[in-house]
Amino acid sequence: RKEVEQDPGPFNVPEGATVAFNCTYSNSASQSFFWYRQDCRKEPKLLMSVYSSGNEDGRFTAQLNRASQYISLLIRDSKLSDSATYLCVVRTASGGSYIPTFGRGTSLIVHP
Amino acid sequence: EPEVTQTPSHQVTQMGQEVILRCVPISNHLYFYWYRQILGQKVEFLVSFYNNEISEKSEIFDDQFSVERPDGSNFTLKIRSTKLEDSAMYFCASSGRLADNYNEQFFGPGTRLTVL
Repeated sequence: RKEVEQDPGPFNVPEGATVAFNCTYSNSASQSFFWYRQDCRKEPKLLMSVYSSGNEDGRFTAQLNRASQYISLLIRDSKLSDSATYLCVVRTASGGSYIPTFGRGTSLIVHP
Repeated sequence: EPEVTQTPSHQVTQMGQEVILRCVPISNHLYFYWYRQILGQKVEFLVSFYNNEISEKSEIFDDQFSVERPDGSNFTLKIRSTKLEDSAMYFCASSGRLADNYNEQFFGPGTRLTVL
């Protein structure tokens, strides 16, 4: 069965801390990778796509390791507003579409 | 900023009843999706829709489910005979570019369906 696995947490960190999440996926044919953010009872929102070369967007850095089939997200200088659930999403080609598989999410709580 | 909208925000229905969940995707988008999230669980893909037909569907999307784009703006999900286990948040999403593996999907705020 094709799965995306994440540590559910919660990760409880003080403001200013650096925190890292990992995600593993089982389908080696997966082609695209994303981190989404989901606030409580809200819709998922794209945080960043994850490219093979790794990419950075401000305080957020994403890495992809295809050989080991994992994706990581690093958040530096955590803010209170970063508190949310972070969803790892992996897409696999199927016919003419790309079917996403979501992880269950990792909960982050940033406290003062 | 354009956004995906969904109505109603909360739908309560009796088991066995039909429900229709409505979505208005972003106006120039071409691809439409439905997802569900049972409380406390992960988001699950249901179906994708392009050019007025289903392009992919998951195992969850059985004969009880159907989708339609009845006009140029709405995209609907119908559940013919609801079951208790259909209780979930249903998210609609749309994307604008032709299918490529990094096209961004924009999610609506969701409809919370409660089946009693």
